[in-house]
Amino acid sequence: TQLLEQSPQFLSIQEGENLTVYCNSSSVFSSLQWYRQEPGEGPVLLVTVVTGGEVKKLKRLTFQFGDARKDSSLHITAAQPGDTGLYLCAGGGNAGNMLTFGGGTRLMVKP
Amino acid sequence: NAGVTQTPKFQVLKTGQSMTLQCAQDMNHEYMSWYRQDPGMGLRLIHYSVGAGITDQGEVPNGYNVSRSTTEDFPLRLLSAAPSQTSVYFCATSSPGSYEQYFGPGTRLTVT
Repeated sequence: TQLLEQSPQFLSIQEGENLTVYCNSSSVFSSLQWYRQEPGEGPVLLVTVVTGGEVKKLKRLTFQFGDARKDSSLHITAAQPGDTGLYLCAGGGNAGNMLTFGGGTRLMVKP
Repeated sequence: NAGVTQTPKFQVLKTGQSMTLQCAQDMNHEYMSWYRQDPGMGLRLIHYSVGAGITDQGEVPNGYNVSRSTTEDFPLRLLSAAPSQTSVYFCATSSPGSYEQYFGPGTRLTVT
């Protein structure tokens, strides 16, 4: 069974601070995705990384895939209250595009 | 386009009752799947389907049945509900060759 561990589980910061969320596994994944989930809704895809060492930027969010394709990080610069939510990493490469999810990081950004 | 729809939004069952969670999509995606989400555990795959007439088990299939008679619909059946099945259930769709999964809004199920 492939496992993904996310850290930290909870993060409460002030507006304007920077933060990094980590997603680690002992398994290799062919792709790594980051989703954001709002209360009462399903997860929404933020980014997919597929190449070891790949870095993608989405405005203030920077995503990195580890060289060995076993880990990933999400860095948010100058966090805003609108960034509040549950961030989930998910590893792909299984049959039928099925994903293995990490436990999630619940982020709260206070104004 | 509605995307991925799930009904009901909320459901309360007594132990031993059965019910079906509905999932429908109008995106013409071949792949469909069911996940359950519990606090601190992310989403765990229950069953999935790579096309009409084809289903397979995921990580936590016990207590659940699925069938896929059409591309659009993928219902999840609870045969005899147990309190351990209290969770939020999400249906998702995707296309072969695409990494992105599209999730429905979820069904919050409570079994007492």
